[in-house]
Amino acid sequence: GENVEQHPSTLSVQEGDSAVIKCTYSDSASNYFPWYKQELGKGPQLIIDIRSNVGEKKDQRIAVTLNKTAKHFSLHITETQPEDSAVYFCAARANQGGKLIFGQGTELSVKP
Amino acid sequence: GAGVSQSPSNKVTEKGKDVELRCDPISGHTALYWYRQSLGQGLEFLIYFQGNSAPDKSGLPSDRFSAERTGGSVSTLTIQRTQQEDSAVYLCASSLGSGNTGELFFGEGSRLTVL
Repeated sequence: GENVEQHPSTLSVQEGDSAVIKCTYSDSASNYFPWYKQELGKGPQLIIDIRSNVGEKKDQRIAVTLNKTAKHFSLHITETQPEDSAVYFCAARANQGGKLIFGQGTELSVKP
Repeated sequence: GAGVSQSPSNKVTEKGKDVELRCDPISGHTALYWYRQSLGQGLEFLIYFQGNSAPDKSGLPSDRFSAERTGGSVSTLTIQRTQQEDSAVYLCASSLGSGNTGELFFGEGSRLTVL
């Protein structure tokens, strides 16, 4: 079955710097790669996603890149702000509507 | 509009007791998922419902865990004879189901502590 590895587990940056979180997946049939943000005491919330027919997607300060050959995908946050501090999860799914397999999470801390 | 609602938000129980966790999905969402999040860990898939049927229950850790969904809406996750290793946050999510973006909308979770 699908396995998703995520690095780093913790990341601390200064406000205004960029943050990069990387994931790898094992199932070459995976075609949907979302990123979720989880704030303390809340459920995860979708922030951006990418499908396998696209190499990059941007939404304001957030971008995601996908390398299907290497089975890597990454989240890039530019001009980080303290409110970006949270746990971020990558995920992968092979079948539309089927289960999402999540990475272990990255705890991002943005210091003012 | 109303999001995914889970109850109880917190449950403390003694080892060996049975517990039931409830999930009310967003109205109209046909797909429903249960995940488990242990301290400092990722989201572990448990089971997925499409309507009232469960095409994928491969993540249930043991036969002490079961889940059902009735009327294509509310779902209950039952853990029998709880063990200390069952302590975790149990998250429920719903989505519009196949043929759509597949975005999962999560509830805030039920935190289970087994003493």
